[in-house]
Amino acid sequence: AQKITQTQPGMFVQEKEAVTLDCTYDTSDPSYGLFWYKQPSSGEMIFLIYQGSYDQQNATEGRYSLNFQKARKSANLVISASQLGDSAMYFCAMREGNRDKTGANNLFFGTGTRLTVIP
Amino acid sequence: DGGITQSPKYLFRKEGQNVTLSCEQNLNHDAMYWYRQDPGQGLRLIYYSQIVNDFQKGDIAEGYSVSREKKESFPLTVTSAQKNPTAFYLCASADLWETQYFGPGTRLLVL
Repeated sequence: AQKITQTQPGMFVQEKEAVTLDCTYDTSDPSYGLFWYKQPSSGEMIFLIYQGSYDQQNATEGRYSLNFQKARKSANLVISASQLGDSAMYFCAMREGNRDKTGANNLFFGTGTRLTVIP
Repeated sequence: DGGITQSPKYLFRKEGQNVTLSCEQNLNHDAMYWYRQDPGQGLRLIYYSQIVNDFQKGDIAEGYSVSREKKESFPLTVTSAQKNPTAFYLCASADLWETQYFGPGTRLLVL
């Protein structure tokens, strides 16, 4: 089974509007972390935001927020006030376990969502 | 400037040839990772290393080899045994159990 599922291959949003990119995950480990990365056309993966499974509040970083619904196993990325520079691929990723366990901090990635911001 | 560098940006491989991709970091991170990305796909883990002189296979290690002789460096060799090497290769580093940060990537093409 896929550990990370991103069901939206492509999304369009008007400049200055908000957009939600969907991500669902599958794990039986009670400890896990969820990440969102942005990949512009240059190819580099840029870290955006992190949510830990035990975090009580949804993570926020500037215009990015993570809508974490643990019971539904979803970790959707919300981008507010979209800008033309937000056009890129967006990847959701998950790490299982924590630093108290053995493991390598490996990430499992979804297939990504291509966001296009329309002027 | 602290960061992760990868070279070359583009690499061409002939049939039967081994090629080596470079990854260097000056972030003083203990762990380093190599991922492969195919068109329209997410990243898949090739190899990782948590400490100098130690490394582990990821999900798709066949046809690849690595070394970790220095903390700053984690080169990846794509051997002739890798039959479909055309892809985008990304290197990452992290403090253990912290966020992974990525380099700019190397695009490998087969002639």
